Amino acid sequence: EAGVAQSPRYKIIEKRQSVAFWCNPISGHATLYWYQQILGQGPKLLIQFQNNGVVDDSQLPKDRFSAERLKGVDSTLKIQPAKLEDSAVYLCASSSRPTNEKLFFGSGTQLSVL
Amino acid sequence: AQTVTQSQPEMSVQEAETVTLSCTYDTSESDYYLFWYKQPPSRQMILVIRQEAYKQQNATENRFSVNFQKAAKSFSLKISDSQLGDAAMYFCAYRSLITGNQFYFGTGTSLTVIP
Repeated sequence: EAGVAQSPRYKIIEKRQSVAFWCNPISGHATLYWYQQILGQGPKLLIQFQNNGVVDDSQLPKDRFSAERLKGVDSTLKIQPAKLEDSAVYLCASSSRPTNEKLFFGSGTQLSVL
Repeated sequence: AQTVTQSQPEMSVQEAETVTLSCTYDTSESDYYLFWYKQPPSRQMILVIRQEAYKQQNATENRFSVNFQKAAKSFSLKISDSQLGDAAMYFCAYRSLITGNQFYFGTGTSLTVIP
C-alpha cells in the first residue's frame, strides 16, 4: 500500500512570497488533514477535509492560507503572502473515514521563510 | 479545547534498558482515543500504540506498552529493551470523538538511545 505522498520536501522562500504544498493521500482515504508543526511543538491542525468538503478549518489563518481538495483526492495548501512565523513543517495525513482512529502521515514539507 | 502535556522535552536510555515517557491530558469527555506517535528524522509520524478510553486493559505492542490511568488522565509509554532505532521524537496525542474527531498533540519528547 502506497503511503501519503507530499511534495516538495523542502522549500525556502522570502517573506511576502507565495508557496504551495501538495498532498496525495492513501488511495481510498476520504479524510485528509493538513497540520502545521513549528519547531519544538506538536502538530497543529490547520484544516480537515471529508472528500472534497471542509470539516474543520477553524485554525486556518484564512487571510493568508488556503486549501483545496477539488476532486476529493489530492490536496493543495497555499500560503500567500508568507510571513517569517510560517516557517514550519507542513504535514499531510489521511484516514479512511472520519471516525477511523488511525492517521497515516506523509513525510511533510519543511518551509523556511527568510 | 483538549490539552495534552508532555513534561519531558528530552529523555535518554541505555540500549536494552527500559524507559518511560510521560503524558497527561485534560478533557471533560468520557470516550476518546489516546495515541503515541513516533517521529524519526525522516519526519514521517508513525503510530506506535493506541488506547481506547473505554478499555481498562492497557495496550501492548511488542516492546511498547502503556500505563493508562483514566481518572488521573495519565497515559505513559514504556519502551522495553530499547533499541537504537527507537531514537526519535515521541508525541502523545488525544483524539476526540465529539469535536470533529480532532487530534490534539503534545509538544513531544526527544528520546536518545545510548549504545
